[in-house]
Amino acid sequence: EIVLTQSPATLSVSPGERATLSCRASQSVSNNLAWYQQKPGQAPRLLIYSTSTRATGIPARFSGGGFGTEFTLTISSLQSDDFALYYCQQCSEWPRTFGQGTKVEIK
Amino acid sequence: QVQLQESGPGLVKPSETLSLTCAVSGVSISSSYWWSWVRQAPGKGLEWIGEIYHSGNTNYNPSLKSRVTISIDKSKNQFSLNLNSVTAADTAVYYCAKVVVVSWFDPWGQGNLVTVSS
Repeated sequence: EIVLTQSPATLSVSPGERATLSCRASQSVSNNLAWYQQKPGQAPRLLIYSTSTRATGIPARFSGGGFGTEFTLTISSLQSDDFALYYCQQCSEWPRTFGQGTKVEIK
Repeated sequence: QVQLQESGPGLVKPSETLSLTCAVSGVSISSSYWWSWVRQAPGKGLEWIGEIYHSGNTNYNPSLKSRVTISIDKSKNQFSLNLNSVTAADTAVYYCAKVVVVSWFDPWGQGNLVTVSS
């Protein structure tokens, strides 16, 4: 199965600053990568799919990039609502797999 | 607006079968989507369990395949998860989700915590 490795495990950022999260795949997934946001006690929410397409209702401060095995999620100016856990997910092959998550916390 | 809602027991005994149902509203389960189950052990990441199409076709995670059955009930617009021979390692929040373009999970249900304990 394809293993996704996210880094860093925890990212400490001040409100208004830029945050960049990474996701590395153990083999190429082309552009078949998504990002989810999860807050405590809530279900994950789709943010980005096909590497760089924002899901419905997702603010423009969220952007995704990459191809093959290296991917990034960038939050251009962190708002208080953005402090959460973020997961990447590949849909290139079955079984579908997720990264272990990056926690974005207030610095 | 598509909504999914999991239901089922919150406590299951070891070696027994975990059974959950996901009720779908806002879209017909016979539409061109797959329907999936994902779980999250306490304090851990997300694990894909499997998915089903309205034709009855399924895909399962090989790590769970021998113990998992996902079924669909078109008359009730819902789908179900059965996981047999459970152990404490199966304790998790179980989510159901709609699969978009055979790929992404959106939206998700609110989740159902299942604890395996005697």
